[in-house]
Amino acid sequence: DTGVSQDPRHKITKRGQNVTFRCDPISEHNRLYWYRQTLGQGPEFLTYFQNEAQLEKSRLLSDRFSAERPKGSFSTLEIQRTEQGDSAMYLCASSPTWTSTDTQYFGPGTRLTVL
Amino acid sequence: GQNIDQPTEMTATEGAIVQINCTYQTSGFNGLFWYQQHAGEAPTFLSYNVLDGLEEKGRFSSFLSRSKGYSYLLLKELQMKDSASYLCAVRGFGYSGAGSYQLTFGKGTKLSVIP
Repeated sequence: DTGVSQDPRHKITKRGQNVTFRCDPISEHNRLYWYRQTLGQGPEFLTYFQNEAQLEKSRLLSDRFSAERPKGSFSTLEIQRTEQGDSAMYLCASSPTWTSTDTQYFGPGTRLTVL
Repeated sequence: GQNIDQPTEMTATEGAIVQINCTYQTSGFNGLFWYQQHAGEAPTFLSYNVLDGLEEKGRFSSFLSRSKGYSYLLLKELQMKDSASYLCAVRGFGYSGAGSYQLTFGKGTKLSVIP
């Protein structure tokens, strides 16, 4: 069990550019989540997958954001036409389906800075 | 909607006991989690409550009262390494009304442990 991994750890981009982040969940975890966290705030839910199916998506999620999990393993989060307000830490978490608690385990995050 | 409140900051002395409170108002309830987050790092799981009462795990305990919409995290024998933010998170129901796995987080309580 190597934990949830995310790549890259840091990304600096210019306003208007597209960025893509990758998340590799804990092996055999069926559920995968994306959250966004800004300074002084708790993580904010963005979207959730069970296997390859995207089952929930925040109403606050702009259509500039899209996430995929094509083979039910790793996931990517793409932000198109980035804005300065997109600067945040993007956290990925995964959880198994065979426990009653469904505890989510977080990766180290990708810190995005939009100039 | 979901509303979760916890104090912004707390300070406690090494070796002492500290209680961090969390109150919540949610459209549904399906479990409450506490996470620890050191600056610049990912949240790490501490505890889970779904039924009323106290859950103890080493130096950490968590209490839940569903009728009052209230939880607390109790940290005993404080150590300097306990200086971190503590996040209260509620798992409720998705906006579709179906069972949800997304977590709604409070803003976190920044705990400073002093010698």
